Amino acid sequence: RKEVEQDPGPFNVPEGATVAFNCTYSNSASQSFFWYRQDCRKEPKLLMSVYSSGNEDGRFTAQLNRASQYISLLIRDSKLSDSATYLCVVRRGSTLGRLYFGRGTQLTVWP
Amino acid sequence: DVKVTQSSRYLVKRTGEKVFLECVQDMDHENMFWYRQDPGLGLRLIYFSYDVKMKEKGDIPEGYSVSREKKERFSLILESASTNQTSMYLCASSDGIGDHNSPLHFGNGTRLTVT
Repeated sequence: RKEVEQDPGPFNVPEGATVAFNCTYSNSASQSFFWYRQDCRKEPKLLMSVYSSGNEDGRFTAQLNRASQYISLLIRDSKLSDSATYLCVVRRGSTLGRLYFGRGTQLTVWP
Repeated sequence: DVKVTQSSRYLVKRTGEKVFLECVQDMDHENMFWYRQDPGLGLRLIYFSYDVKMKEKGDIPEGYSVSREKKERFSLILESASTNQTSMYLCASSDGIGDHNSPLHFGNGTRLTVT
């Protein structure tokens, strides 16, 4: 079983739509959780960390469910510039510095 | 702002050549990583290093080696390049234990083609 699993999509949504991505992780000892964003032909960049109580950054909301071992990302009022691949990333407690990446979910926002 | 610099953006090499990919970071980060990224497979960890002269195998180390002689520099070596090593190679660095305060910072990648 893969460490981190995501629906690859693609998700195609109109501008202004709300879209949600889920991600599951296999190791219950995982301690840190992130969403990274990767634009076409560019390197991944940190979008936001995911905290146990859930957190929001503008139009983006991240949630963590430890009991079910899944993480979600909600994007409200989608913009054309949100088109990218979103990577779910997890760190296990025993792996100093090492992060485990999902394969990514592709989002296209159309006008 | 953290800067991770990879020496080449595009590289074309022949089968059997020895290939060096260089990566330098300017933030005194302890941890450095080499990933490759392929369509449908996502990011896969090749090697990583927690300190100078230290190295650890990732998930796909076969056919690769690394060198970390200085803290800011982490080199990936393809001992004898093969066509299945054609890929996008991404270097990254981080400070600390990889928690919320120490995310990965990536270089902009080297697209290697082996013919």
